[in-house]
Amino acid sequence: GENVEQHPSTLSVQEGDSAVIKCTYSDSASNYFPWYKQELGKRPQLIIDIRSNVGEKKDQRIAVTLNKTAKHFSLHITETQPEDSAVYFCAARANAGGTSYGKLTFGQGTILTVHP
Amino acid sequence: GAVVSQHPSWVICKSGTSVKIECRSLDFQATTMFWYRQFPKQSLMLMATSNEGSKATYEQGVEKDKFLINHASLTLSTLTVTSAHPEDSSFYICSARDLDTEAFFGQGTRLTVV
Repeated sequence: GENVEQHPSTLSVQEGDSAVIKCTYSDSASNYFPWYKQELGKRPQLIIDIRSNVGEKKDQRIAVTLNKTAKHFSLHITETQPEDSAVYFCAARANAGGTSYGKLTFGQGTILTVHP
Repeated sequence: GAVVSQHPSWVICKSGTSVKIECRSLDFQATTMFWYRQFPKQSLMLMATSNEGSKATYEQGVEKDKFLINHASLTLSTLTVTSAHPEDSSFYICSARDLDTEAFFGQGTRLTVV
């Protein structure tokens, strides 16, 4: 099955700096890569996603890059703000089919702390 | 985005009792629903996948007789934790999707077994 590795486990930055979180995946059939932000005790919220036919996607201060050959994808947050502090999860998913039903496999999570 | 509602948000139960958690897709038909468990400071671990009208597919290591999943309609799936014990205390989250759409998460249920 799919295995997703996420680094770093914790990341501390100063307000205004950039933050980068990296993930690798193992299943070449995976073609959808979402990123979630989760605040304590809350549900994960989708912040950006990318499909395998695209190499990069940007939404204001957030961008995601995908390298299919190397099987890794990264989240980039620019001009970080204290409210960006949360746990971020990457995930990978193959199309629904067979026994996978398109299930998401999550990385271990990164605790991002943005200091004012 | 689509709305997935999960109830209850928190529950405290006595050891040995059963607890049912509901997951509803409010504005779309969810062909597939997923149940996750999340321990403090850890990632979401998939427990099982359910498709409407068929038996759930459980991940390795998850006891299907202990975590009963029913997906009776395209908008409702339930997870019943049977004979709960303190080690079952966790944050349980469902997610729902339709075909190749993104997954939408419920707000989660904090289960405490005393």
